[in-house]
Amino acid sequence: QVQLEQSGAEVKKPGASVKVSCKASGYTFNDYYIQWVRQAPGQGLEWMGWINPNSGGTKYAQNFQGRVTMTRDTPTSTVYMELSRLKSDDTAMYYCARGRGVSYSIGDYWGQGALVTVSS
Amino acid sequence: NFILTQPHSVSESPGKTITISCTRSSGSVADNSVQWYQQRPGSAPTIVIYEDDQRPSGVPDRFSGSIDSSSNSASLTISGLETEDEANYYCQSHDKSVWVFGGGTKLSVL
Repeated sequence: QVQLEQSGAEVKKPGASVKVSCKASGYTFNDYYIQWVRQAPGQGLEWMGWINPNSGGTKYAQNFQGRVTMTRDTPTSTVYMELSRLKSDDTAMYYCARGRGVSYSIGDYWGQGALVTVSS
Repeated sequence: NFILTQPHSVSESPGKTITISCTRSSGSVADNSVQWYQQRPGSAPTIVIYEDDQRPSGVPDRFSGSIDSSSNSASLTISGLETEDEANYYCQSHDKSVWVFGGGTKLSVL
């Protein structure tokens, strides 16, 4: 069965960086994009970008340009999302989702989320 | 990019039917597929409708989706409401490989 297993909760200080992992299993890793979505406490869903595991190509939301980097490790079927220069309003749950269909627009499986808390 | 607007909240009694709208601000709603996600408190989102009106296996047929070009909106309809349907629902579409989410609708089943 398809699973996306994310890394655990993190607490970071303002200005630091965080790297969240998402390990895929149960399907061919290279065949589907991985999308990243975050959700601040009590707020809605915010798209951050995607990575193509086959090529390593990426697309980032304008709000995160210059601060986010998505990478993958094909042998372990794992993708990573690193967010730098953290601010308090980056405190959120970070989700990875498998994207399929036209423009990989359908998030059919989601990870359990990784809580990132930014606090001094 | 366009904006997707949803009502903030909706409430109804068990056994009734509700419809949640998702209005696209620019461009045609028919141009790009619309997905709907259910998110219960403390859980990750799960997909309930994809490509406007397709239901994933395992999702009850009480859930249905549609689009309406005249109002430039998508809709999620849930019939025979059950208490377990109480959750936040998000519409999502895309443009040039960019995902766009609606603000979410809190469904209360009273």
